[in-house]
Amino acid sequence: GNSVTQMEGPVTLSEEAFLTINCTYTATGYPSLFWYVQYPGEGLQLLLKATKADDKGSNKGFEATYRKETTSFHLEKGSVQVSDSAVYFCALRGSSNTGKLIFGQGTTLQVKP
Amino acid sequence: DAGVTQSPTHLIKTRGQQVTLRCSPKSGHDTVSWYQQALGQGPQFIFQYYEEEERQRGNFPDRFSGHQFPNYSSELNVNALLLGDSALYLCASSLGQPGTQYFGPGTRLTVL
Repeated sequence: GNSVTQMEGPVTLSEEAFLTINCTYTATGYPSLFWYVQYPGEGLQLLLKATKADDKGSNKGFEATYRKETTSFHLEKGSVQVSDSAVYFCALRGSSNTGKLIFGQGTTLQVKP
Repeated sequence: DAGVTQSPTHLIKTRGQQVTLRCSPKSGHDTVSWYQQALGQGPQFIFQYYEEEERQRGNFPDRFSGHQFPNYSSELNVNALLLGDSALYLCASSLGQPGTQYFGPGTRLTVL
């Protein structure tokens, strides 16, 4: 079945450091891929998405490219801020699926001043 | 533009009781999905409602049931609560199927 695997956390960075959070997936066909962010005590916010191979999603300085050849959707940001500290979830929606999202286990990011 | 709203924010119940959680979708959205997020885990899909019918269901027992109303709002009902039902319950809305899902703040359910 479809699944998502994220790198283990927590990831601890200094402010202005470069961020990469790895995400790989297993799915048949051409799923849609998403990154959501969850701040402490809150629900999930959509960060970015990509719906076909080689698409790049971007938002608020974050980017991720849909790589079908490596079944990956790694999240990157060039310069993180303390306010980026949160839990990041990678998710997929199957190509034949009406809407069910399958999430990874989440990666906690801590950014220190 | 009102986002997805959920009520109540927090809820404490005892084992064996029943609970109802409520969700109002984002303005213009017609599809509601429910997820359970245990502490430290990613959300798990419970079910999805569209046109007042359950369209898709995840791997949850029949104790979990739902409803969608003509105004697209939705309820999640859980019967015979177990300690393991303690979690954050998230509602997400979207326009049509499939649509990009936008999440509410969640309801934190604690079962004692």
